Amino acid sequence: GAGVSQSPRYKVAKRGQDVALRCDPISGHVSLFWYQQALGQGPEFLTYFQNEAQLDKSGLPSDRFFAERPEGSVSTLKIQRTQQEDSAVYLCASSTRGRGMNTEAFFGQGTRLTVV
Amino acid sequence: KNEVEQSPQNLTAQEGEFITINCSYSVGISALHWLQQHPGGGIVSLFMLSSGKKKHGRLIATINIQEKHSSLHITASHPRDSAVYICAVSPRYQLIWGAGTKLIIKP
Repeated sequence: GAGVSQSPRYKVAKRGQDVALRCDPISGHVSLFWYQQALGQGPEFLTYFQNEAQLDKSGLPSDRFFAERPEGSVSTLKIQRTQQEDSAVYLCASSTRGRGMNTEAFFGQGTRLTVV
Repeated sequence: KNEVEQSPQNLTAQEGEFITINCSYSVGISALHWLQQHPGGGIVSLFMLSSGKKKHGRLIATINIQEKHSSLHITASHPRDSAVYICAVSPRYQLIWGAGTKLIIKP
């Protein structure tokens, strides 16, 4: 497809389980972002990649969260030892140039993670 | 005080009404985004503005950089316009999000 694709759309994890969330950005998009959106809240920035370089990971809430984009295209957000407070929608966005959100951004449908 | 303030928080209107959603921000920005989020759905970018005015179909977005204010207008509103509309600004590379405006258009 032509848009940003995220998988899975829904994930239920038992507390303590590790999860991996995938983002396929639009081909050729340089910038990639991960956001966390708790129920009823606005998205919160997690991390930013420019190609394969993770330029900002200041929003990752703990060292249980890890993101990578090894070849500058697909990105994976990994959460280790999930906790109930990790339950949220995880949004991925990409944009064409290396200017982050100073160019038009395209969002995926998100992955809804529920930790039980 | 939040860096991005939207008003109103909630808006219910009748089909056909002219809708205005306002956004004020307090930081210097490179761009301002208007985004739409349907319940259970992803986020769709409506506009990215750095100056002036943009129009797409029944949607119009304006920005006044000096006053640090932007508005999103919907003409001839329709029930399918019901969604959360979010203003977000980009001072550097990432977005600072407003709290969103929940819009309901009744038939």
